[in-house]
Amino acid sequence: GAVVSQHPSWVICKSGTSVKIECRSLDFQATTMFWYRQFPKQSLMLMATSNEGSKATYEQGVEKDKFLINHASLTLSTLTVTSAHPEDSSFYICSARVLTGGLGNTEAFFGQGTRLTVV
Amino acid sequence: AQSVTQPDIHITVSEGASLELRCNYSYGATPYLFWYVQSPGQGLQLLLKYFSGDTLVQGIKGFEAEFKRSQSSFNLRKPSVHWSDAAEYFCAVVANFGNEKLTFGTGTRLTIIP
Repeated sequence: GAVVSQHPSWVICKSGTSVKIECRSLDFQATTMFWYRQFPKQSLMLMATSNEGSKATYEQGVEKDKFLINHASLTLSTLTVTSAHPEDSSFYICSARVLTGGLGNTEAFFGQGTRLTVV
Repeated sequence: AQSVTQPDIHITVSEGASLELRCNYSYGATPYLFWYVQSPGQGLQLLLKYFSGDTLVQGIKGFEAEFKRSQSSFNLRKPSVHWSDAAEYFCAVVANFGNEKLTFGTGTRLTIIP
């Protein structure tokens, strides 16, 4: 199947600094990528939809100025957590949509996730 | 808006025993349904999906799921679990093609005892 690579897999940063997380589709082009956030022992919550060459679409309640998303190429989307605070500590996961053929035949491939700890 | 319910937060089964993980969805039409597995600290891997057609869907690692419209359910099953199946399992739904926003259930943590 298609491979989505997410980097870094874990990061520790000081409060007030910014952190960038990269999501790459290694063997396919992804016009759309999704960013999720997962709190411990909870489900994944969609943060935003990232579209190549255009602005990201954020879900209700997600601060777009805090979580900056850039999708400058068909293989790379980045999530930057600006002025991070301890409450931003979480597991962030990206996914990319692949059309596998035929109407309705679509599949999302996920990165391995990034564990962010803000101290 | 669509929603997904996984009633069981945690299930423990013996190795070799059968498994059924429950998933119920709420949506007016037939959604696209998925089951994902997540190992600790990892991303998600797709086990299987249902779009249309045969309501019994076969997936990877010996898993299957059955779509039951009358019960709004999409339960995941495996006849004989292995210790390596211990993980978190998520049911997910996409309301319609063209809007690939996955809505996830809260997950079921599966523990396997020898």
